[in-house]
Amino acid sequence: GQNIDQPTEMTATEGAIVQINCTYQTSGFNGLFWYQQHAGEAPTFLSYNVLDGLEEKGRFSSFLSRSKGYSYLLLKELQMKDSASYLCAVIDGNNRLAFGKGNQVVVIP
Amino acid sequence: DSGVTQTPKHLITATGQRVTLRCSPRSGDLSVYWYQQSLDQGLQFLIQYYNGEERAKGNILERFSAQQFPDLHSELNLSSLELGDSALYFCASSVGTSQETQYFGPGTRLLVL
Repeated sequence: GQNIDQPTEMTATEGAIVQINCTYQTSGFNGLFWYQQHAGEAPTFLSYNVLDGLEEKGRFSSFLSRSKGYSYLLLKELQMKDSASYLCAVIDGNNRLAFGKGNQVVVIP
Repeated sequence: DSGVTQTPKHLITATGQRVTLRCSPRSGDLSVYWYQQSLDQGLQFLIQYYNGEERAKGNILERFSAQQFPDLHSELNLSSLELGDSALYFCASSVGTSQETQYFGPGTRLLVL
């Protein structure tokens, strides 16, 4: 089975840095995605990690530790438009993608 | 705009009915995925097709079925609908395997009354 755990909600101030954590337990591992989803809209791709370490892409960075079953998404210089749900998704050994329930980030002025 | 299209945008129907949701992938993408998203369950993977063949199966009910046609568009059929089937249904596509970025369509919002 698959179990992907994310905290449900966090509030942060514009311009700040926020870290969103994801822990997972899956049968096999073939990669981890982070997606952003605004309310009522489709998820959009942010990052993909398959090897341990940090991947940086502009204001967003994603980290993976396969031995710990752990990833985080780091959002820097927060903007109001970053208010959204951030979904962690893991590809298991059977190449099925399982999503966590998402972490709602609310950015306040 | 992701390049993935889904029709219809909204669908209202009654319990016991059957509906068909349609998805056209991005040009060049061979894989199509279907997801169900409800408020309490989050995004649930239903099924994946690759170039017309079923590739992976998730939590898809027996009342639901899907197929991918030679032109690569896909349909998700939902039958004997129940109130609990009310949800947002997303289609996504990727070039090949599930290890590649998936691009999501705008979704079909289904309401079963």
